[in-house]
Amino acid sequence: KNEVEQSPQNLTAQEGEFITINCSYSVGISALHWLQQHPGGGIVSLFMLSSGKKKHGRLIATINIQEKHSSLHITASHPRDSAVYICAGEIQGAQKLVFGQGTRLTINP
Amino acid sequence: NAGVTQTPKFRILKIGQSMTLQCTQDMNHNYMYWYRQDPGMGLKLIYYSVGAGITDKGEVPNGYNVSRSTTEDFPLRLELAAPSQTSVYFCASSYSSTLYFFGPGTRLTVL
Repeated sequence: KNEVEQSPQNLTAQEGEFITINCSYSVGISALHWLQQHPGGGIVSLFMLSSGKKKHGRLIATINIQEKHSSLHITASHPRDSAVYICAGEIQGAQKLVFGQGTRLTINP
Repeated sequence: NAGVTQTPKFRILKIGQSMTLQCTQDMNHNYMYWYRQDPGMGLKLIYYSVGAGITDKGEVPNGYNVSRSTTEDFPLRLELAAPSQTSVYFCASSYSSTLYFFGPGTRLTVL
């Protein structure tokens, strides 16, 4: 069964802290997506990774294929980063996603 | 580009009523999806389409129907609304092995 598990479920930090959210996935996942769901409910795609590392502004996503593990890092966190971050695995050969439960991140000023 | 648009944003239905949730994308994406998100839960795939004229069931298709007559449009039909269908519905689209684009969601309550 294709599965994606995230940790932690909830994370509260102070402005400026370095944030890490982790995602583990099962066999049969060919790529990993990171999504951000704003407090208003909208969902935005941040990254799609099948190997290595990607960076966009203060966000960095990494993936380790051998360990079936991905991380999303936020540097110099800011209250506007407060959102639910969702890891989703793309099922090999199917162009469909299986979603983790999400990590609710709160950054306090 | 407007991206992925969904209508309506909110709707309240009575048990047994039917409705269609509209989804349109203007990015010429071949893949389109319907997801539901229950409170505090992850997204679940209802139906998806790999191109015009082709649709397939996802994890939770019961109580729903879809059609894909054009590349742009992927409407989701609820025939006999039930309280268990109270949820937020998201439409999404993608091109092969690229980022997914999500619509703003439709919040549906069935009373």
